[in-house]
Amino acid sequence: QKEVEQNSGPLSVPEGAIASLNCTYSDRVSQSFFWYRQYSGKSPELIMSIYSNGDKEDGRFTAQLNKASQYVSLLIRDSQPSDSATYLCAVDGGAGNMLTFGGGTRLMVKP
Amino acid sequence: GAGVSQSPRYKVAKRGQDVALRCDPISGHVSLFWYQQALGQGPEFLTYFQNEAQLDKSGLPSDRFFAERPEGSVSTLKIQRTQQEDSAVYLCASSLAGGRGTINQPQHFGDGTRLSIL
Repeated sequence: QKEVEQNSGPLSVPEGAIASLNCTYSDRVSQSFFWYRQYSGKSPELIMSIYSNGDKEDGRFTAQLNKASQYVSLLIRDSQPSDSATYLCAVDGGAGNMLTFGGGTRLMVKP
Repeated sequence: GAGVSQSPRYKVAKRGQDVALRCDPISGHVSLFWYQQALGQGPEFLTYFQNEAQLDKSGLPSDRFFAERPEGSVSTLKIQRTQQEDSAVYLCASSLAGGRGTINQPQHFGDGTRLSIL
């Protein structure tokens, strides 16, 4: 059973702070890792993709991947109230194309 | 359109009825996926198409669920003899071509169909 685990939260941070979202996965052969943002009642929106160990930065977002520890994280700098949403970690199936999602972490950014 | 389009947005059906959910992927996207998302959960994989070929249907929960993509573009997810546990949001996603052992292209999601079975 391939698993992706996330803390369900809610994670509450003040406006302007750094929000740190974490995810662990069980399938060592996974090659592709994604973070999606999902507002209530809306579809998942791709935020970041990462394929190799290390950090990948895009604006206020940084994704970090450590395959040895089977750990992927998302940092959001200068958090804004509009960042309040559920963040879904998704991992590919290794041998196929389907994604396995974590249950999501609910982030609340307080003004 | 520019994104993945799903219809209807909302569907209410009585237990035992058949329903059909439609997905129109991003133009040029070879891969198409269906996911089921229960309230407060992450999406769960149902089935995957590459062009018209259904390459993986391991996530379909029962033989009441059937999906097709006959011309390699629009896809339909059909649920026969619906049950209350089928109530969920059904998400469709598409991506550029990818194959086994290759790096996955990101999947882009439609707005989903919220299915309620009474």
